[in-house]
Amino acid sequence: GAGVSQSPSNKVTEKGKDVELRCDPISGHTALYWYRQSLGQGLEFLIYFQGNSAPDKSGLPSDRFSAERTGGSVSTLTIQRTQQEDSAVYLCASSVRGRGTEAFFGQGTRLTVV
Amino acid sequence: AQKVTQAQTEISVVEKEDVTLDCVYETRDTTYYLFWYKQPPSGELVFLIRRNSFDEQNEISGRYSWNFQKSTSSFNFTITASQVVDSAVYFCALIVTGNMLTFGGGTRLMVKP
Repeated sequence: GAGVSQSPSNKVTEKGKDVELRCDPISGHTALYWYRQSLGQGLEFLIYFQGNSAPDKSGLPSDRFSAERTGGSVSTLTIQRTQQEDSAVYLCASSVRGRGTEAFFGQGTRLTVV
Repeated sequence: AQKVTQAQTEISVVEKEDVTLDCVYETRDTTYYLFWYKQPPSGELVFLIRRNSFDEQNEISGRYSWNFQKSTSSFNFTITASQVVDSAVYFCALIVTGNMLTFGGGTRLMVKP
């Protein structure tokens, strides 16, 4: 597709369940990011993939959070044993290789943990 | 560590007024990149502008203009003759190393008819 695609757009899950959020970046973009936006809050960095380099996981809030990027393209963010404080919009973005290039964002996945 | 501050959490104006959104950044690096993004009610972040630290020229794009001043570490955004469609949350962001964006807290702009 032309833009960054995220699925599902909305996800409601019970506390304690695992969830997987998917991101399809723009074709040819080597950098991929995950951010989290809680209600009325700013954007919190979670993880960053650049090509075949080891990902920057410094923003992951706990070991319940993990992410993979297969084949340098699609990425999956997994949250294990979800908690109510995990409720947020999870945004994925991608950019072409090169320092300082602009990132293009998907529409986000709204996660609600009940 | 780098930081971006948007002191105005919410601004309300009447249509056709001019409005300036403030952004102040902190970094010790001499090479960095500044961005503005718009987040309309639909939720998707829309890229507006990118500026590198070596280019202090101000930029104008239609009703939008940006004022970059390294002396005050500011990168302010002005909307001239605001319209209801400008209502959104606006984020200022900074890249210092790699491609990781550090965002400010955002400014919610409400333009009333």
